[in-house]
Amino acid sequence: KAGVTQTPRYLIKTRGQQVTLSCSPISGHRSVSWYQQTPGQGLQFLFEYFSETQRNKGNFPGRFSGRQFSNSRSEMNVSTLELGDSALYLCASSPYLGSGSSYNEQFFGPGTRLTVL
Amino acid sequence: AQSVAQPEDQVNVAEGNPLTVKCTYSVSGNPYLFWYVQYPNRGLQFLLKYITGDNLVKGSYGFEAEFNKSQTSFHLKKPSALVSDSALYFCAVRDSNYGQNFVFGPGTRLSVLP
Repeated sequence: KAGVTQTPRYLIKTRGQQVTLSCSPISGHRSVSWYQQTPGQGLQFLFEYFSETQRNKGNFPGRFSGRQFSNSRSEMNVSTLELGDSALYLCASSPYLGSGSSYNEQFFGPGTRLTVL
Repeated sequence: AQSVAQPEDQVNVAEGNPLTVKCTYSVSGNPYLFWYVQYPNRGLQFLLKYITGDNLVKGSYGFEAEFNKSQTSFHLKKPSALVSDSALYFCAVRDSNYGQNFVFGPGTRLSVLP
């Protein structure tokens, strides 16, 4: 089975621009989560989607948004980029079945390295 | 609220010696606990998890972890470290209560010296 794929792998933007990152989960996985990883803050949870519905949201401003499509692929968007948004953005998929809490591990993609100048 | 602590930013160990990477957690319900490893410029790779049952969990690459409910800990261990084990290790917890997301610790950098 192919792993989680993320595109693009690297991105350079300037302040004020917006960006869209894409994630394709492992085939059959319906749960997708997004994380921001920075040296100072570590791994911070952004949001989790299941069956096109946002299931959880982290403590990030409204400039960060996401969505999930019917094929489970997901995108996240950051509008009005700030220098502090420079980070590695990680997507993870999980075979969560949609009932009760999930004890399934997450499978991570390689990440998108976003640099904001 | 959920939280995870990894009290050591850095752990150094000689090749062939046993290694321990520490993790403590806090959840309101029962914990689901995970260890992940990250190599440079890569995503996180799953090592092992504790859901219920035996307190000693065995995972990939010879790693194991011991769940201790009274000490709310889930330390990662390996009997004999390899240089190739050098990486960044993350502990994560998910509360068994429905609707909770994963919370990751800050990470511990493990250096195995030849």
